[in-house]
Amino acid sequence: DSGVTQTPKHLITATGQRVTLRCSPRSGDLSVYWYQQSLDQGLQFLIQYYNGEERAKGNILERFSAQQFPDLHSELNLSSLELGDSALYFCASSVSGEDEQFFGPGTRLTVL
Amino acid sequence: SQELEQSPQSLIVQEGKNLTINCTSSKTLYGLYWYKQKYGEGLIFLMMLQKGGEEKSHEKITAKLDEKKQQSSLHITASQPSHAGIYLCGAVSDSWGKFQFGAGTQVVVTP
Repeated sequence: DSGVTQTPKHLITATGQRVTLRCSPRSGDLSVYWYQQSLDQGLQFLIQYYNGEERAKGNILERFSAQQFPDLHSELNLSSLELGDSALYFCASSVSGEDEQFFGPGTRLTVL
Repeated sequence: SQELEQSPQSLIVQEGKNLTINCTSSKTLYGLYWYKQKYGEGLIFLMMLQKGGEEKSHEKITAKLDEKKQQSSLHITASQPSHAGIYLCGAVSDSWGKFQFGAGTQVVVTP
């Protein structure tokens, strides 16, 4: 157990809908990362936050948004969902944002 | 941006045999991370290398970062069924801090 928690574990929804994924980092970690993993794209970095501020941005679509709250938990919002958004979404956390990342168990999103 | 290429894509090794996975970057690496993933599960941190020529070991797994800091290798000695999984290397890919992973190497350990 890495200490990073993600909810929900599984999510099934329909195209066009909006969902919110939640992540709680390890105690003491200030930085949170979001990743998308699919069979054809591999593990893709979406976005990183450090202490509430956006630090780095990767291949995140405009339909997706994220934020990190004062208590350091983070949410990833996915809207206007498409079939291709079906994937495993991972959250990771690290102490400083420049050290090793610890991954949560992931949220499996299925868009029908 | 930096590309991380892993080789081989997959390998099958008999229990007790050694194996090596390589991770090559198109640019100088400023930090290289190795992770292991069981299918459908989260990644488990193995090791981080930062200095050219650095070598780290944990149990039967050794990782090295070459002097030029453009290639890393992960070596497993006397493989066991518990070593099966997908191994990924990762690094910060540009000055903006964007993190990138290689495509992964799937390891299968046979009896």
